[in-house]
Amino acid sequence: EVQLLESGGDLVQPGGSLRLSCAAFGFTFSSNAMNWVRQAPGKGLEWVSGISGSGYTTYYADSVKGRFTISRDNSKNTLYLQMKSLRAEDTAVYYCSKDRPGVTTPHYFAYWGQGTLVTVSS
Amino acid sequence: EIVLTQSPATLSLSPGERATLSCRASLSVTSSYLAWYQQKPGQAPRLLIYDASGRATGIPDRFSGSGSGTDFTLTISRLEPEDSAVYYCQQYGSSPSFGQGTRLEIK
Repeated sequence: EVQLLESGGDLVQPGGSLRLSCAAFGFTFSSNAMNWVRQAPGKGLEWVSGISGSGYTTYYADSVKGRFTISRDNSKNTLYLQMKSLRAEDTAVYYCSKDRPGVTTPHYFAYWGQGTLVTVSS
Repeated sequence: EIVLTQSPATLSLSPGERATLSCRASLSVTSSYLAWYQQKPGQAPRLLIYDASGRATGIPDRFSGSGSGTDFTLTISRLEPEDSAVYYCQQYGSSPSFGQGTRLEIK
Protein backbone atom coordinates (compact mmCIF):
# COMPACT_ATOMS: atom_id res chain seq x y z
CA GLU A 1 0.00 0.00 0.00
CA VAL A 2 1.34 3.40 -0.99
CA GLN A 3 1.79 5.76 1.97
CA LEU A 4 3.15 9.29 1.98
CA LEU A 5 3.81 11.01 5.30
CA GLU A 6 4.65 14.72 5.28
CA SER A 7 6.27 16.56 8.16
CA GLY A 8 7.99 19.84 8.91
CA GLY A 9 5.12 22.30 8.65
CA ASP A 10 5.28 25.15 11.16
CA LEU A 11 4.63 28.82 11.86
CA VAL A 12 7.42 30.92 10.33
CA GLN A 13 7.98 34.65 9.98
CA PRO A 14 7.96 36.36 6.59
CA GLY A 15 11.41 36.07 5.02
CA GLY A 16 12.12 32.89 6.96
CA SER A 17 12.98 29.37 5.84
CA LEU A 18 11.53 25.91 6.36
CA ARG A 19 12.19 22.41 5.10
CA LEU A 20 9.39 19.94 4.50
CA SER A 21 9.91 16.19 4.33
CA CYS A 22 7.83 13.38 2.88
CA ALA A 23 8.54 9.77 3.79
CA ALA A 24 7.38 7.25 1.20
CA PHE A 25 6.33 3.65 1.72
CA GLY A 26 4.89 0.80 -0.30
CA PHE A 27 6.48 1.40 -3.72
CA THR A 28 9.85 1.65 -5.41
CA PHE A 29 10.58 5.28 -4.54
CA SER A 30 13.57 5.78 -6.84
CA SER A 31 11.51 4.76 -9.89
CA ASN A 32 8.83 7.38 -9.41
CA ALA A 33 8.64 11.09 -10.04
CA MET A 34 7.29 13.04 -7.09
CA ASN A 35 5.62 16.41 -6.62
CA TRP A 36 4.56 19.00 -4.06
CA VAL A 37 1.09 20.53 -4.36
CA ARG A 38 -0.26 23.17 -1.99
CA GLN A 39 -3.65 24.50 -0.94
CA ALA A 40 -4.10 27.85 0.77
CA PRO A 41 -6.81 27.91 3.46
CA GLY A 42 -10.23 27.76 1.82
CA LYS A 43 -8.71 27.93 -1.66
CA GLY A 44 -7.96 25.63 -4.58
CA LEU A 45 -4.98 23.47 -5.46
CA GLU A 46 -1.66 24.76 -6.83
CA TRP A 47 1.17 22.60 -8.17
CA VAL A 48 4.45 23.78 -6.61
CA SER A 49 7.31 21.58 -7.77
CA GLY A 50 8.23 18.20 -9.26
CA ILE A 51 11.31 15.98 -9.44
CA SER A 52 12.24 12.97 -11.54
CA GLY A 53 12.90 9.59 -9.96
CA SER A 54 16.66 9.98 -10.23
CA GLY A 55 16.51 13.50 -8.82
CA TYR A 56 18.44 14.89 -11.77
CA THR A 57 15.54 16.93 -13.21
CA THR A 58 13.44 19.40 -11.27
CA TYR A 59 10.47 21.61 -12.12
CA TYR A 60 8.96 24.65 -10.40
CA ALA A 61 5.92 26.86 -10.58
CA ASP A 62 6.79 30.46 -11.40
CA SER A 63 5.42 31.53 -8.01
CA VAL A 64 8.19 29.67 -6.15
CA LYS A 65 11.06 29.56 -8.64
CA GLY A 66 14.28 30.81 -7.07
CA ARG A 67 12.90 30.50 -3.53
CA PHE A 68 12.01 26.80 -3.20
CA THR A 69 14.22 23.77 -3.88
CA ILE A 70 12.91 20.24 -4.31
CA SER A 71 15.20 17.29 -3.68
CA ARG A 72 15.09 13.63 -2.76
CA ASP A 73 17.17 11.03 -0.98
CA ASN A 74 16.41 7.71 -2.64
CA SER A 75 18.43 5.83 -0.01
CA LYS A 76 16.00 7.12 2.61
CA ASN A 77 12.84 7.04 0.47
CA THR A 78 12.29 10.68 1.34
CA LEU A 79 11.27 13.77 -0.62
CA TYR A 80 12.12 17.30 0.52
CA LEU A 81 11.05 20.85 -0.13
CA GLN A 82 13.41 23.58 1.07
CA MET A 83 11.54 26.87 1.25
CA LYS A 84 13.30 30.24 1.62
CA SER A 85 12.22 33.89 1.57
CA LEU A 86 8.76 32.80 2.65
CA ARG A 87 5.83 35.13 2.10
CA ALA A 88 2.35 35.34 3.58
CA GLU A 89 0.97 33.98 0.30
CA ASP A 90 2.96 30.77 0.82
CA THR A 91 0.66 29.91 3.73
CA ALA A 92 -0.96 26.61 2.79
CA VAL A 93 -1.25 22.91 3.40
CA TYR A 94 1.56 21.28 1.45
CA TYR A 95 0.88 17.84 0.00
CA CYS A 96 3.45 15.36 -1.22
CA SER A 97 2.25 13.32 -4.19
CA LYS A 98 3.39 10.40 -6.30
CA ASP A 99 3.22 10.90 -10.05
CA ARG A 100 2.02 8.50 -12.73
CA PRO A 101 4.34 5.51 -13.22
CA GLY A 102 7.14 5.73 -15.77
CA VAL A 103 7.34 9.49 -16.27
CA THR A 104 10.04 12.02 -15.50
CA THR A 105 8.03 15.23 -16.04
CA PRO A 106 5.06 16.18 -13.82
CA HIS A 107 1.84 14.47 -14.90
CA TYR A 108 -1.06 13.64 -12.64
CA PHE A 109 -1.00 13.02 -8.90
CA ALA A 110 -1.96 9.44 -8.25
CA TYR A 111 -1.35 9.28 -4.51
CA TRP A 112 -1.31 12.02 -1.88
CA GLY A 113 -0.11 12.40 1.67
CA GLN A 114 -2.26 13.92 4.39
CA GLY A 115 -0.51 17.29 4.11
CA THR A 116 1.48 19.53 6.45
CA LEU A 117 0.48 23.11 7.28
CA VAL A 118 2.88 25.98 6.69
CA THR A 119 1.84 29.33 8.15
CA VAL A 120 3.83 32.44 7.26
CA SER A 121 2.99 35.24 9.66
CA SER A 122 4.61 37.67 12.03
CA GLU B 1 0.39 28.82 -18.76
CA ILE B 2 -2.88 27.02 -19.45
CA VAL B 3 -5.78 28.43 -17.44
CA LEU B 4 -8.59 26.00 -16.60
CA THR B 5 -12.09 27.33 -15.96
CA GLN B 6 -14.60 25.04 -14.28
CA SER B 7 -18.36 25.41 -14.38
CA PRO B 8 -20.66 25.59 -12.66
CA ALA B 9 -19.09 26.87 -9.44
CA THR B 10 -21.71 25.03 -7.39
CA LEU B 11 -24.07 22.24 -8.33
CA SER B 12 -26.91 20.98 -6.15
CA LEU B 13 -28.55 17.70 -7.15
CA SER B 14 -30.48 14.83 -5.61
CA PRO B 15 -29.37 11.24 -5.06
CA GLY B 16 -29.82 9.16 -8.19
CA GLU B 17 -29.46 12.13 -10.55
CA ARG B 18 -26.62 12.69 -13.03
CA ALA B 19 -23.98 15.41 -12.54
CA THR B 20 -22.14 17.01 -15.43
CA LEU B 21 -19.08 19.11 -14.57
CA SER B 22 -17.24 21.16 -17.17
CA CYS B 23 -13.59 22.14 -17.49
CA ARG B 24 -12.51 24.51 -20.27
CA ALA B 25 -8.86 25.20 -21.08
CA SER B 26 -7.47 28.49 -22.40
CA LEU B 27 -5.28 26.52 -24.85
CA SER B 28 -5.54 23.04 -26.28
CA VAL B 29 -4.38 20.39 -23.79
CA THR B 30 -1.69 18.21 -25.33
CA SER B 31 -2.57 14.52 -25.69
CA SER B 32 -5.73 15.02 -23.61
CA TYR B 33 -3.51 15.18 -20.56
CA LEU B 34 -6.32 16.08 -18.19
CA ALA B 35 -7.17 14.65 -14.77
CA TRP B 36 -10.06 15.01 -12.33
CA TYR B 37 -9.88 14.89 -8.53
CA GLN B 38 -12.41 14.69 -5.72
CA GLN B 39 -11.73 16.44 -2.41
CA LYS B 40 -13.84 16.12 0.70
CA PRO B 41 -13.49 18.48 3.69
CA GLY B 42 -10.34 17.87 5.70
CA GLN B 43 -9.04 15.28 3.26
CA ALA B 44 -6.40 15.17 0.56
CA PRO B 45 -7.63 15.11 -3.03
CA ARG B 46 -8.27 11.73 -4.64
CA LEU B 47 -7.51 10.98 -8.28
CA LEU B 48 -10.63 9.98 -10.21
CA ILE B 49 -9.79 10.28 -13.92
CA TYR B 50 -6.53 10.61 -15.89
CA ASP B 51 -5.81 11.11 -19.59
CA ALA B 52 -9.30 12.63 -19.89
CA SER B 53 -11.15 9.31 -19.71
CA GLY B 54 -9.06 6.74 -17.85
CA ARG B 55 -10.56 5.70 -14.52
CA ALA B 56 -8.11 5.50 -11.62
CA THR B 57 -7.75 2.37 -9.52
CA GLY B 58 -10.74 1.69 -7.30
CA ILE B 59 -12.95 4.41 -8.78
CA PRO B 60 -16.56 3.28 -9.40
CA ASP B 61 -17.77 3.20 -13.00
CA ARG B 62 -20.36 5.85 -12.08
CA PHE B 63 -17.50 8.32 -12.67
CA SER B 64 -16.55 8.93 -16.29
CA GLY B 65 -14.52 11.53 -18.14
CA SER B 66 -14.62 12.74 -21.71
CA GLY B 67 -13.37 15.49 -23.96
CA SER B 68 -10.34 16.67 -25.88
CA GLY B 69 -8.68 19.87 -27.00
CA THR B 70 -10.07 22.61 -24.77
CA ASP B 71 -13.33 21.10 -23.50
CA PHE B 72 -13.57 18.32 -20.94
CA THR B 73 -16.37 16.85 -18.87
CA LEU B 74 -16.68 14.77 -15.72
CA THR B 75 -19.95 12.89 -15.47
CA ILE B 76 -21.18 11.26 -12.30
CA SER B 77 -24.17 9.06 -12.92
CA ARG B 78 -26.53 7.83 -10.19
CA LEU B 79 -25.35 10.32 -7.53
CA GLU B 80 -24.87 9.05 -4.00
CA PRO B 81 -24.70 11.15 -0.80
CA GLU B 82 -20.96 10.45 -0.45
CA ASP B 83 -20.31 12.17 -3.79
CA SER B 84 -20.72 15.50 -2.05
CA ALA B 85 -17.30 17.15 -2.49
CA VAL B 86 -15.29 19.69 -4.45
CA TYR B 87 -14.08 18.45 -7.85
CA TYR B 88 -10.99 19.82 -9.56
CA CYS B 89 -9.67 19.37 -13.07
CA GLN B 90 -5.93 19.52 -13.75
CA GLN B 91 -3.95 19.61 -16.97
CA TYR B 92 -0.46 18.21 -17.41
CA GLY B 93 0.15 18.86 -21.08
CA SER B 94 2.37 21.71 -19.97
CA SER B 95 3.37 23.02 -16.54
CA PRO B 96 0.59 21.56 -14.35
CA SER B 97 -2.37 23.75 -13.46
CA PHE B 98 -5.71 23.23 -11.74
CA GLY B 99 -9.16 24.62 -12.25
CA GLN B 100 -10.78 26.56 -9.41
CA GLY B 101 -13.11 23.70 -8.51
CA THR B 102 -16.81 22.83 -8.64
CA ARG B 103 -18.64 22.22 -5.38
CA LEU B 104 -21.17 19.40 -5.69
CA GLU B 105 -23.90 19.28 -3.06
CA ILE B 106 -26.20 16.31 -2.73
CA LYS B 107 -29.59 17.42 -1.42
